[in-house]
Amino acid sequence: ELKVEQNPLFLSMQEGKNYTIYCNYSTTSDRLYWYRQDPGKSLESLFVLLSNGAVKQEGRLMASLDTKARLSTLHITAAVHDLSATYFCAVPMGNQFYFGTGTSLTVIP
Amino acid sequence: EAGVTQFPSHSVIEKGQTVTLRCDPISGHDNLYWYRRVMGKEIKFLLHFVKESKQDESGMPNNRFLAERTGGTYSTLKVQPAELEDSGVYFCASSQVFPQARTEAFFGQGTRLTVV
Repeated sequence: ELKVEQNPLFLSMQEGKNYTIYCNYSTTSDRLYWYRQDPGKSLESLFVLLSNGAVKQEGRLMASLDTKARLSTLHITAAVHDLSATYFCAVPMGNQFYFGTGTSLTVIP
Repeated sequence: EAGVTQFPSHSVIEKGQTVTLRCDPISGHDNLYWYRRVMGKEIKFLLHFVKESKQDESGMPNNRFLAERTGGTYSTLKVQPAELEDSGVYFCASSQVFPQARTEAFFGQGTRLTVV
């Protein structure tokens, strides 16, 4: 079974700081998704990474995929409060997604 | 366009009772999935419908869980009788084609189920 490890589980960071969330997976896959969830809201798709070396950026978030290392990173630049949420990485295999445990991010003033 | 909608948002029931969760997928999406997140762990696959047919129910934990999708539109997930370990957040997702086909699934907001 595909295993997806995400760390850290909890992240408290100050506004303006940078940080990286890591997502490792155990089986070859050339695609990976990042989702964000605000409390009580839907899982919102952030990035779809479709190939080795893919890098995507949206505002203060940048995601990358290294399929050889089976690693994806979500980098946060100059964090602001409205980035506080839970972030999940997910690897598709067959007809389902395999999710990481999620990273609960809190950005404090 | 409406997204994936789930009802109720929250449900608190006593052990032994029955609860039915509902999911309305995005219109036109043949694929519907149920997932569950228990106690802050990873979100895990429960089952997959293609239209009204169960394509894969390998993630269903036991026979207390029954999922249906009559007419290939909305789906229900019934837990009967509920046990304490069934507590968690149940997510529904829909997609036009499989994730393998380089598209993505759209998720609902989840139903938080608490069994006391």
